[in-house]
Parts: sequence; C-alpha cells; structure tokens
Amino acid sequence: EDQVTQSPEALRLQEGESSSLNCSYTVSGLRGLFWYRQDPGKGPEFLFTLYSAGEEKEKERLKATLTKKESFLHITAPKPEDSATYLCAVIHNTDKLIFGTGTRLQVFP
Amino acid sequence: DAGVTQSPTHLIKTRGQQVTLRCSPKSGHDTVSWYQQALGQGPQFIFQYYEEEERQRGNFPDRFSGHQFPNYSSELNVNALLLGDSALYLCASSEGQGVNGYTFGSGTRLTVV
Repeated sequence: EDQVTQSPEALRLQEGESSSLNCSYTVSGLRGLFWYRQDPGKGPEFLFTLYSAGEEKEKERLKATLTKKESFLHITAPKPEDSATYLCAVIHNTDKLIFGTGTRLQVFP
Repeated sequence: DAGVTQSPTHLIKTRGQQVTLRCSPKSGHDTVSWYQQALGQGPQFIFQYYEEEERQRGNFPDRFSGHQFPNYSSELNVNALLLGDSALYLCASSEGQGVNGYTFGSGTRLTVV
C-alpha cells in the first residue's frame, strides 16, 4: 500500500538550533516528492519538489534532500517565524498527492 | 497574479444538510483537485477534475460530488452532512498532471453541528 510517514510528529527547537525532519515513503513509480509548509488554518504553501535520488534543493534556511526511500528537510539556524507544520507528499503513477501527517515545528526565541 | 481562491472561508452547517464549496484555480492552471484535512492530519485526496470531467477519485462516498466549469473553476458538493465531515477543505490547482506541483488555496473550514 502506498504510504508516506513523517517523523517526528512534533519538534521543539531553540532559535539557532539546527535539525532535520524525515519523510519516508513506500510508493511504486515515484514521479515527485513535495515539501509544503502549513500555518494554522491556512492552506499548504509550496516549498520544494524533488524528482530523483540524490537531488537537493535549498531556500533560505531550508534544504531538502531525496534518497530512494526517504527525504529530509534540514533546517539551519531556525527562527521563530519558521514555526509551522511541514508536510511531505508524493505523486506516483496517479496524479493525486499522497500526504504524510506532517511535523509540527515550534522554534522558541 | 491571483493564486487559488476558495469561498467561503468558514461555514457552519447542520447534520443532514447539503453544502457547496467553490474554487477558482490559479491563472494558467486547468486541473483542480479537492482534499479534506481533518485536524492534526495530512490532506486526503477526494477527487480531481480536468476538462470538466472527474479524472480520478479517492476513498470518499458518493455524498461527495463535484463539478468543473469551462473556465476551470470548480465546486465541491457534500450531501447529507455528517459530524465527521467537519474539516478544512482544500482546493489545489495544477497545470496538467501536476508533476510540477500543485498550488493550494487557503481552504474552507466546514463545521457540522
């Protein structure tokens, strides 16, 4: 069965304390992996798309990487405004996104 | 450039009633997908519309139906509302098959009482 699992469920960081979020997946024929940021009561905001193992993308304090079985979202020197839920989703031989349950990140000053 | 627009933003309905949610896709996008997100969960795929037809559907009952109009906008209809239908309903648009990414709207928060 196609599945996306994110860990940890919740993460509390001190401002400046770097860490990584994990997204593992079991799907056949992966066509792309997406990272989204979601603030409370809002829709997901697109961050990155990764298409093949070994690919990396960066945006400000965020860096996403992809292997054949998982993806990591690295957060370097986070700030309180990085607090949000980070969602991982995959798209495979159908066109629908399969989401994980997300990681709730809180960054304290 | 306007992104995905959803209306209304909030809605309260009584169990057994019917509801219609609306979505205008991002300019240049022709495919609209609908997702249901329960509190603390990831979005779950309901269905997708392309060229005014339902192209695929997730594991949702027939009480959930939709429509896409010639201008690519879309509606989600839910009949015989249940308490468990309370959720954030998200519309996402894409160009074609969505491999290049989906743009989400801010959602409609539906509360069934």
